[in-house]
Amino acid sequence: DAGITQSPRHKVTETGTPVTLRCHQTENHRYMYWYRQDPGHGLRLIHYSYGVKDTDKGEVSDGYSVSRSKTEDFLLTLESATSSQTSVYFCATTEGEGLTDTQYFGPGTRLTVL
Amino acid sequence: AQSVTQPDIHITVSEGASLELRCNYSYGATPYLFWYVQSPGQGLQLLLKYFSGDTLVQGIKGFEAEFKRSQSSFNLRKPSVHWSDAAEYFCAVGLYNNNDMRFGAGTRLTVKP
Repeated sequence: DAGITQSPRHKVTETGTPVTLRCHQTENHRYMYWYRQDPGHGLRLIHYSYGVKDTDKGEVSDGYSVSRSKTEDFLLTLESATSSQTSVYFCATTEGEGLTDTQYFGPGTRLTVL
Repeated sequence: AQSVTQPDIHITVSEGASLELRCNYSYGATPYLFWYVQSPGQGLQLLLKYFSGDTLVQGIKGFEAEFKRSQSSFNLRKPSVHWSDAAEYFCAVGLYNNNDMRFGAGTRLTVKP
């Protein structure tokens, strides 16, 4: 699992509140990703990072922002959570130049927005 | 539209039987191709990947996949399924020159004793 931890593992929040999910890795991997997993959709890429302070949008980035101030940490923020953002969120990393290398996934964070 | 299709939502096989999980993609060029497995409550684990070269790819846990360009398919196979193979399987494609990964909706595998 390349030393990937996610926190919190479970969270219940209310519509309109801000939420930040944290991904921490111990392998010094350059690329980090945030996905959401919903039934019938598989995983969908939200944002990714290719280095400190270097981030880009994925397929479903609306309503999400990210930050990476250190190699080991990649934060996902929902500025104002909505019920449609109820999902399981996975962080992943790759060691080298993105998709040519194996992606390692964290254990996931289950977020419920009431 | 660009897409990854796994036609089978749920498959049940008997332990010891062979397995084939289907994956088709719709992209302009041959993308990077992957199969991942997810056990309940866990993250995904890479089984195998294809970038170029030999179209039959060997992976971990006895799995293999065959890339067929003419059919835009990348089907996953295993000759003899074990009870521990029960999980959800995802096909994914990676797009060239960026880091966008697109996943299929997944196939849930049940193994009967």
